[in-house]
Amino acid sequence: EIVLTQSPGTLSLSPGERATLSCRASQTVSSTYLAWYQQKPGQAPRLLIYGASTRATGIPDRFSGSGSGTDFTLTISRLEPDDFAVYYCQQYGRSLFTFGPGTKVDIK
Amino acid sequence: EVQLVESGGDLVQPGGSLRLSCAASGFTLSDFGMNWVRQAPGKGLEWVSYINTRSTIYYADSVKGRFTISRDNAKNSVYLQMNSLRVEDTAVYYCARDWLDVCLDYWGQGTLVTVSS
Repeated sequence: EIVLTQSPGTLSLSPGERATLSCRASQTVSSTYLAWYQQKPGQAPRLLIYGASTRATGIPDRFSGSGSGTDFTLTISRLEPDDFAVYYCQQYGRSLFTFGPGTKVDIK
Repeated sequence: EVQLVESGGDLVQPGGSLRLSCAASGFTLSDFGMNWVRQAPGKGLEWVSYINTRSTIYYADSVKGRFTISRDNAKNSVYLQMNSLRVEDTAVYYCARDWLDVCLDYWGQGTLVTVSS
């Protein structure tokens, strides 16, 4: 089973700042099968990025994804108040999905 | 508009059973794989089970042998039968649409399952 590790656990930033979130896999993951989700308190997760770098429908271009192999990154170029949330990476492989433990982006 | 609405969550004793339902609308259910994902209180997301368009099924090791996923395309519904429930199964259970085994593109709002004596 592929294990995903996300860092940092918590990121404290101010609106307007740049956020860089990391997702590292225990084995090589095809970029096709790497996705990112945003979850706000009391809400269901929302798909942000799939295929490591493709924004889902309706996702603003301040969100971008990159990476390959075992190292992937979600970047939020300029944080807006609505972006403070928990972010999860997810991979599909060998007949199962796995999620990372999440990175919480909170207001500094 | 794609909508997924879960139901069936409840308080149940350890060892008990529960059946969750996910009602799908706004798309043709038979064209998509479907998943159940859960989230224990204050914890992260855990994938539980998947059923594809041909009813090929996968389970997380934590629920294998206890949970059964199924679908009824005529009723636009997906189900999760949960048996031999444990305290650690307590979570919000989400139904999520699978997009080409790549990602989960639509999610329901979840239904709460509490396993406690």
